[in-house]
Amino acid sequence: SQQGEEDPQALSIQEGENATMNCSYKTSINNLQWYRQNSGRGLVHLILIRSNEREKHSGRLRVTLDTSKKSSSLLITASRAADTASYFCATGRNSGYSTLTFGKGTMLLVSP
Amino acid sequence: KAGVTQTPRYLIKTRGQQVTLSCSPISGHRSVSWYQQTPGQGLQFLFEYFSETQRNKGNFPGRFSGRQFSNSRSEMNVSTLELGDSALYLCASSSRTSGGLNEQFFGPGTRLTVL
Repeated sequence: SQQGEEDPQALSIQEGENATMNCSYKTSINNLQWYRQNSGRGLVHLILIRSNEREKHSGRLRVTLDTSKKSSSLLITASRAADTASYFCATGRNSGYSTLTFGKGTMLLVSP
Repeated sequence: KAGVTQTPRYLIKTRGQQVTLSCSPISGHRSVSWYQQTPGQGLQFLFEYFSETQRNKGNFPGRFSGRQFSNSRSEMNVSTLELGDSALYLCASSSRTSGGLNEQFFGPGTRLTVL
């Protein structure tokens, strides 16, 4: 079953605008990760945030994590057409396994 | 370092046949996980192999199996194919770290179509 649920399912913005995607999950986690997928290809890891962290930055990406609300958000600032892709959150468990549980993703369209 | 490679990239099979997909992880990575991606169910975990042993398995029927070799390369097999097995099969490798911090590196996937 899906652990994460992304919101919105689809997002359409103009280049230069910010894009915010949200993710909610159900059980306790060790970490939460965001991945990007272009047109049904492999996933690319964007950022990992540990359960004891609240915010993390990487370039134009900002991720927040609220474990009390079991939610996370991914902010892409100054978006570009090349950011057009599907974005997935994935949760990692405490067990040390390499299993990730993915949400269904947000499809982001950035128009020039 | 070379990335994760998967072969073949595309495959067309008919119902009832079986198929074997291959995955070569990043050099030095000993953990290989497999995921199935469909429009309806999204990304679902199939199984994980580490040091040639299956460590975790998702909720899939026994028709789905896998193995890992001593060089960490992995194969997954699907027997008696059904139309619903049409999907993108993704392989991911990682270097296992303590505390479950598992950034995974994905291959490009194998697109399986069952007719």
